[in-house]
Amino acid sequence: ETGVTQSPTHLIKTRGQQVTLRCSSQSGHNTVSWYQQALGQGPQFIFQYYREEENGRGNFPPRFSGLQFPNYSSELNVNALELDDSALYLCASRGGGELFFGEGSRLTVL
Amino acid sequence: DQQVKQNSPSLSVQEGRISILNCDYTNSMFDYFLWYKKYPAEGPTFLISISSIKDKNEDGRFTVFLNKSAKHLSLHIVPSQPGDSAVYFCAAEEGFGGTSYGKLTFGQGTILTVHP
Repeated sequence: ETGVTQSPTHLIKTRGQQVTLRCSSQSGHNTVSWYQQALGQGPQFIFQYYREEENGRGNFPPRFSGLQFPNYSSELNVNALELDDSALYLCASRGGGELFFGEGSRLTVL
Repeated sequence: DQQVKQNSPSLSVQEGRISILNCDYTNSMFDYFLWYKKYPAEGPTFLISISSIKDKNEDGRFTVFLNKSAKHLSLHIVPSQPGDSAVYFCAAEEGFGGTSYGKLTFGQGTILTVHP
């Protein structure tokens, strides 16, 4: 039990649509990161938020955006979905020097 | 550009024996290294970490070794147990003071299978 919960666990979208993935982390965890894990690959860093501001971004286009809220929840938004966006999306929050991951949201784009 | 590489996609070990998982990196700015374990349908779980100022860190059955000159680290599991069967990810970060700030670069993972 990591205290990081993600929703939905699975979803299917079609190309061109938009999707919002949600994450709820433990109270006091001010930093949240989002990762994309394609099949057979390791997680890839998308971006990180600290106290509701983006403070780091990986090699992902602007159609990947996020929000962090004061209640320790956050969102990952992806616009204009492409087939290659099909992946497991992981949210992670930092507490006590350790990174805690949620179980992920598996997105399938048809 | 794969900055963290795990060249062995899979490893099979007998229960009770040692499991050695390897990881290589190319970015000399990395100074904090972590190993994560992942079961199907679960998120990665932190196992053990090492700062670049050390060459070894031990936690129970798990030991991580870091060779900075070779840009290589390894995870040793002794003795291996069937419950250790999972995907193991090596990760690295340009950290500060030997702690993680959440911007990790992961390897591709190694599937470990421990046979009874």
